[in-house]
Amino acid sequence: DARVTQTPRHKVTEMGQEVTMRCQPILGHNTVFWYRQTMMQGLELLAYFRNRAPLDDSGMPKDRFSAEMPDATLATLKIQPSEPRDSAVYFCASGYQGSETQYFGPGTRLLVL
Amino acid sequence: LAKTTQPISMDSYEGQEVNITCSHNNIATNDYITWYQQFPSQGPRFIIQGYKTKVTNEVASLFIPADRKSSTLSLPRVSLSDTAVYYCLVGERSNYQLIWGAGTKLIIKP
Repeated sequence: DARVTQTPRHKVTEMGQEVTMRCQPILGHNTVFWYRQTMMQGLELLAYFRNRAPLDDSGMPKDRFSAEMPDATLATLKIQPSEPRDSAVYFCASGYQGSETQYFGPGTRLLVL
Repeated sequence: LAKTTQPISMDSYEGQEVNITCSHNNIATNDYITWYQQFPSQGPRFIIQGYKTKVTNEVASLFIPADRKSSTLSLPRVSLSDTAVYYCLVGERSNYQLIWGAGTKLIIKP
């Protein structure tokens, strides 16, 4: 049963520290999405990639957030420096072009103190 | 740019049919509509997807009228385990935008 995996599952850090979240998409999927979810804002699309190239990153704060796909099996989301308002659950999802179905990972729960 | 609007919450009872409607007034011809289900502490899970008329799978039906300005997710004979948040999503093919609704919290009572 193929699944999207995310690491770490939980992260507690202090304001100003760098945070890196990793995602392994389902093998064969060529589209990767990053989302942030909070009680106040709901589900927000931060960025998504197709064939490792960014397709839309308009939802991502550019000053402190960055997203990359070093290779087809790894996507990273980095926050530097982190702030308390970044506390949220970050989801990665993957899919393949032509299907439009997204398969979500379990999320990384981030708390910035 | 499409905007999706759905009710914040709904209640129903076990065994009933539940219909959740999402409005998307500015949807374009090629845009697709998808519904997801999310349980606490989990990522959203795909339920159903369509473009027009009616789509049915083993868990739900999706009704889309001719003008496509809304869509209705229909859950037949719900059970307590259907208590979750349901999201509609409009995918815009022209500019790769994904427009998520704010989610409908569905509570099923015994």
